[in-house]
Amino acid sequence: ILNVEQSPQSLHVQEGDSTNFTCSFPSSNFYALHWYRWETAKSPEALFVMTLNGDEKKKGRISATLNTKEGYSYLYIKGSQPEDSATYLCAPGGGGNKLTFGTGTQLKVEL
Amino acid sequence: NAGVMQNPRHLVRRRGQEARLRCSPMKGHSHVYWYRQLPEEGLKFMVYLQKENIIDESGMPKERFSAEFPKEGPSILRIQQVVRGDSAAYFCASSPRQDNSPLHFGNGTRLTVT
Repeated sequence: ILNVEQSPQSLHVQEGDSTNFTCSFPSSNFYALHWYRWETAKSPEALFVMTLNGDEKKKGRISATLNTKEGYSYLYIKGSQPEDSATYLCAPGGGGNKLTFGTGTQLKVEL
Repeated sequence: NAGVMQNPRHLVRRRGQEARLRCSPMKGHSHVYWYRQLPEEGLKFMVYLQKENIIDESGMPKERFSAEFPKEGPSILRIQQVVRGDSAAYFCASSPRQDNSPLHFGNGTRLTVT
């Protein structure tokens, strides 16, 4: 069983603020790291799948970095908007897309 | 282009009854995963299936739980003789390949055992 930790557990920011969260996972036997965005009353939506140490991925105002040697990934949101309010989940994966999800960072962006 | 379809959205069962949860993957996806979210907990892997085969069921309780993904029709997660502790949200996800492709999730089935 992989030990996946996400911090902070929750975060309140003002519209326009930039923010970031952390995902920590065991660095041994790394295969892939997934990030998902989960809005209330909807289903989790994939943001990124990262596999290489040093990988950086970007989707609009959201970007992520990966350090497989030390076992962490950062997710950044630039200029937060109210529609960014959601829970952000990270999940290291074993072969076959068997993912171990963290408990997530709950982001609330206020006007 | 329909996404992953799960039904029912809500299911209420009395203790001892059977619960059947259905999942139709996205078109073209032959890999299906079931995850469970217990109250106040994160998503936990239960089982991974490909058409007609169970690939990994290491997260599924040995008793009362079973899953299938027949050649035709949806994947079914079956819970026999439900107990209160089975109350949870059950999510299905699909992917087109076994490699590091992102999972596409359904909206889940919320099971309540009374």
